[in-house]
Amino acid sequence: GAVVSQHPSWVICKSGTSVKIECRSLDFQATTMFWYRQFPKQSLMLMATSNEGSKATYEQGVEKDKFLINHASLTLSTLTVTSAHPEDSSFYICSARDGQANEQFFGPGTRLTVL
Amino acid sequence: GENVEQHPSTLSVQEGDSAVIKCTYSDSASNYFPWYKQELGKRPQLIIDIRSNVGEKKDQRIAVTLNKTAKHFSLHITETQPEDSAVYFCAASMNFNKFYFGSGTKLNVKP
Repeated sequence: GAVVSQHPSWVICKSGTSVKIECRSLDFQATTMFWYRQFPKQSLMLMATSNEGSKATYEQGVEKDKFLINHASLTLSTLTVTSAHPEDSSFYICSARDGQANEQFFGPGTRLTVL
Repeated sequence: GENVEQHPSTLSVQEGDSAVIKCTYSDSASNYFPWYKQELGKRPQLIIDIRSNVGEKKDQRIAVTLNKTAKHFSLHITETQPEDSAVYFCAASMNFNKFYFGSGTKLNVKP
C-alpha cells in the first residue's frame, strides 16, 4: 500500500518557540493532504485541508495564524505550530489522499510536547 | 459540517464473543465510511470500509453494515481475540475528502 511519512516522530520544545512537522507521500502524488490533532484518549480532530499550490482551508475553531500549513509540492505538506504553548501538546497526524486510488493514507504521527 | 457519534465509548467482551460498535452521522452527502483500529501511540489502521451504494461488507471476522436512511453504520467483530483489543474509530467522508471521526471505542477482549 501507499506510504506516508512524518518527521519528526516526536519533538519537545520550549514554550514560545515554533515547530515544523513534515508530511510526505513517498510513492504517490497527493493533491490533498489533511492535518489532524489527537489529544490523549480522544478522537482525531480535523484541523485543516491542504491543497497543493493553494491556501489551506481550516476547520472552525482552528487558528490559521498559529497553525501554518504549506503544501508546496505534490508529495510534501508542512505544519508549523507557531509560538507553541503547553496546551498545543498533542499527537499530530497527517493523511494524504491518493486521488487515483480514491484512498487516504495516514502518517505515523508526531508527538509534540511543549514545556 | 458533519457530526459523527459513536457508541459505546468502552466495550469489554470475553474472548470468542462478538463485539458491535455503532456510529451515526448527520450529513446525508457523506458516502464513504471507514473504520480504523488504533493502538496506543500509533497511526490509525484501516480495517474495513463501506461506500454508500452498499448495505453490508464482510472481511473474515469483521463486517460493517450501513443504513443510509437512518444514517447509521455499525462494525461487527466476531470470534474476538485478545489482539483485537484497541481503540476503534468510525469516520464519515464525502468523496474521500475530509474525514470526520467518531469519538472512539476502547475494546477490551478478555482472555
